[in-house]
Amino acid sequence: DGGITQSPKYLFRKEGQNVTLSCEQNLNHDAMYWYRQDPGQGLRLIYYSQIVNDFQKGDIAEGYSVSREKKESFPLTVTSAQKNPTAFYLCASSTSPFGWTYNEQFFGPGTRLTVL
Amino acid sequence: EDQVTQSPEALRLQEGESSSLNCSYTVSGLRGLFWYRQDPGKGPEFLFTLYSAGEEKEKERLKATLTKKESFLHITAPKPEDSATYLCAVQATNYGGSQGNLIFGKGTKLSVKP
Repeated sequence: DGGITQSPKYLFRKEGQNVTLSCEQNLNHDAMYWYRQDPGQGLRLIYYSQIVNDFQKGDIAEGYSVSREKKESFPLTVTSAQKNPTAFYLCASSTSPFGWTYNEQFFGPGTRLTVL
Repeated sequence: EDQVTQSPEALRLQEGESSSLNCSYTVSGLRGLFWYRQDPGKGPEFLFTLYSAGEEKEKERLKATLTKKESFLHITAPKPEDSATYLCAVQATNYGGSQGNLIFGKGTKLSVKP
């Protein structure tokens, strides 16, 4: 079955720690995205990658970092510089946002990060 | 500024009571409008893409429609299993650095009581 997997499902972080959230897709999609979801707010874009070895900042990239070394994988690191990291994190992928293509995005199951 | 607004924030229906959810948008040009369903603690599930005004898409008890300024998600004779948060997102035809990225509304939380 093709799809997007995220791990872990739940993650607890202590103050000052960096943590990495995993996202893998086997849909052969070029583009991948990371969103953050907080109660009462819409999804906010953290980082996106349209192609391997390239990525761009979204609307709320401060305190986060990513890499895209393989087409299938787009891990997100939440650094200690992120002051309020407790949230639900969603990874998504799409065929490609370039040009005139339509950006239908498909989401993983999410990771809930809690800062202790 | 590109913006997506969903209303109402929450909607409670009795089983079988049909209703509509609204998604209004302001973008310089619309490339596509997307509807998703999200269950608590899970990722959004893709429902529909609408490309142009006048277009309609249907899936079971759901029908999505699109005008030049808004989209409606009509729910006919809903069942308790239709309870979820419904998200709307738009893709604008801007050619800036975030070309093609989606702008999400805050969602409508639907509860259907038996």
